Amino acid sequence: NAGVTQTPKFQVLKTGQSMTLQCAQDMNHNSMYWYRQDPGMGLRLIYYSASEGTTDKGEVPNGYNVSRLNKREFSLRLESAAPSQTSVYFCASSGGGGLTYNEQFFGPGTRLTVL
Amino acid sequence: TQLLEQSPQFLSIQEGENLTVYCNSSSVFSSLQWYRQEPGEGPVLLVTVVTGGEVKKLKRLTFQFGDARKDSSLHITAAQPGDTGLYLCAGLYGNKLVFGAGTILRVKS
Repeated sequence: NAGVTQTPKFQVLKTGQSMTLQCAQDMNHNSMYWYRQDPGMGLRLIYYSASEGTTDKGEVPNGYNVSRLNKREFSLRLESAAPSQTSVYFCASSGGGGLTYNEQFFGPGTRLTVL
Repeated sequence: TQLLEQSPQFLSIQEGENLTVYCNSSSVFSSLQWYRQEPGEGPVLLVTVVTGGEVKKLKRLTFQFGDARKDSSLHITAAQPGDTGLYLCAGLYGNKLVFGAGTILRVKS
């Protein structure tokens, strides 16, 4: 099993450009999440999807949109990138396998720089 | 303002030393998780503690959940260079995880 995969691993954008970060999981998990990680601030939740067909805002949703394409895939879109969105983005999934406290499995991250 | 405060922010120690990392909040959590993250990778779950006062051991790592379920600690005995990484605590608040800012641990050989 690959677990949680993310593409791309690195990306450099210019201010105003758009892009979509892709995430897929093969663990048959119901819930998926997008976080951003900035120095000294830990992981902050951007959006999450508790189940296929539903999405909800997290702590820092402004400037982002998401799509839960199917049970496996959850994408994050930046419509008009800003330098404040320079960060490392992590996708995670949870649900099932005997874990009952929302324990999460993370992908390797996408390192995004907006110039 | 972080809901979960971790201390210290950075710890650099020699191989063989013991250390404790703290995770504190004014809020009550239904459970608390500890993750370890290596450079360039995503966090990996180490343990979940659920009951107030609970103690869990994972080899040289001992995790404790406070009696009031507002705080937790991670104690590492005889640290090794392989323990180097970012340690994150995360509390389950409703149906979402809230993460602390993390403790960067460096163990020198």
